[in-house]
Amino acid sequence: AQSVTQLGSHVSVSEGALVLLRCNYSSSVPPYLFWYVQYPNQGLQLLLKYTTGATLVKGINGFEAEFKKSETSFHLTKPSAHMSDAAEYFCAALAGANNLFFGTGTRLTVIP
Amino acid sequence: NAGVTQTPKFRVLKTGQSMTLLCAQDMNHEYMYWYRQDPGMGLRLIHYSVGEGTTAKGEVPDGYNVSRLKKQNFLLGLESAAPSQTSVYFCASSYSRYSTEAFFGQGTRLTVV
Repeated sequence: AQSVTQLGSHVSVSEGALVLLRCNYSSSVPPYLFWYVQYPNQGLQLLLKYTTGATLVKGINGFEAEFKKSETSFHLTKPSAHMSDAAEYFCAALAGANNLFFGTGTRLTVIP
Repeated sequence: NAGVTQTPKFRVLKTGQSMTLLCAQDMNHEYMYWYRQDPGMGLRLIHYSVGEGTTAKGEVPDGYNVSRLKKQNFLLGLESAAPSQTSVYFCASSYSRYSTEAFFGQGTRLTVV
């Protein structure tokens, strides 16, 4: 069975500091992996995706993530946090099924 | 290009009432999904459809029904609403099974009292 685990339901960082949001997946087949962002009272927006090929994936707004098969991880990073990055972030996996499996989300707070 | 549109955006129901949530997409996507979002639980799949006239159960289908009579529309019905169905509901669509992106609507906030 597929599952996605996001470590830490809340993460706080100072403005300008590194952002690291953790995601691990469990899948019997190589998955496609996604990070989505949700701003208050809005739907989900795709940040970045990994399907095949290069394991380091760059997305919008300066975010990137690295697929590490040996660690079954797909952590999201950004070198320098901005106030506008405050939102909820969801990791998702698509593997051998017709739907995305989502993690429980990580709420990012950016401290001025 | 509107993308994925959900109606209504907000609704308050009394226990036992019924209602239908409408999702419309104008991207000619084959796949459509209904999720519910609850605090601390992320998004959970209710039902999905892989094409016009087809539907399938997701992770939490009990108490909901769906229909996909037209490719562009995916309806979610609550026959007898319960307080446990208080949630934010999201519709999404994607081009294919291996689509690299699902497009989401802005959500419907439903409260059952």
